[in-house]
Amino acid sequence: DAGVIQSPRHEVTEMGQEVTLRCKPISGHNSLFWYRQTMMRGLELLIYFNNNVPIDDSGMPEDRFSAKMPNASFSTLKIQPSEPRDSAVYFCASSLPTWRTEAFFGQGTRLTVV
Amino acid sequence: AQTVTQSQPEMSVQEAETVTLSCTYDTSENNYYLFWYKQPPSRQMILVIRQEAYKQQNATENRFSVNFQKAAKSFSLKISDSQLGDTAMYFCAFIFSSYNTDKLIFGTGTRLQVFP
Repeated sequence: DAGVIQSPRHEVTEMGQEVTLRCKPISGHNSLFWYRQTMMRGLELLIYFNNNVPIDDSGMPEDRFSAKMPNASFSTLKIQPSEPRDSAVYFCASSLPTWRTEAFFGQGTRLTVV
Repeated sequence: AQTVTQSQPEMSVQEAETVTLSCTYDTSENNYYLFWYKQPPSRQMILVIRQEAYKQQNATENRFSVNFQKAAKSFSLKISDSQLGDTAMYFCAFIFSSYNTDKLIFGTGTRLQVFP
């Protein structure tokens, strides 16, 4: 397996534009996590899915953020409209159907909103 | 609420020396797992070591070992014989299962610099 795949690796956009980040988890993993990494806050859990169902989105900062998982092999994180304070590295991670195992991370998407 | 605290934003150590990174957490759960992840400049998150809360024995992985104090809710990482390649951000993480779902929470990280 190629691991967790995120796209794009880098994204630069203008304030007010819509941004969509994509994630393909490892096949067979049923938990999927979206994190945001900044210098100030470290790794913040934004939302996580279990069997494609959003379980906890309490970490989503505002209504401008939304996430979907239409099937077991694909998830998106959308920001609309984007703001400069959304600039960060966004990670997707997936794990097997047991909480005893590690989460595997993608390479992250570095988002810059100008 | 479950939280993970890493009180050392930055640490430095000389090559071949030993360094300990601290981590505390807060939870009312009894069964959970703890992890240390390493993030080198490449940005990739790499699992370093894991500890099951129900095991009293501290986990060890080559030069990496933990000091797990369940009652104190403390989970420190010791790196022995530090190498230049150990330079990275280190994140302490905690996962618990509730209602058949998993929640993986991270601390803010400690930046470790290994000097020659």
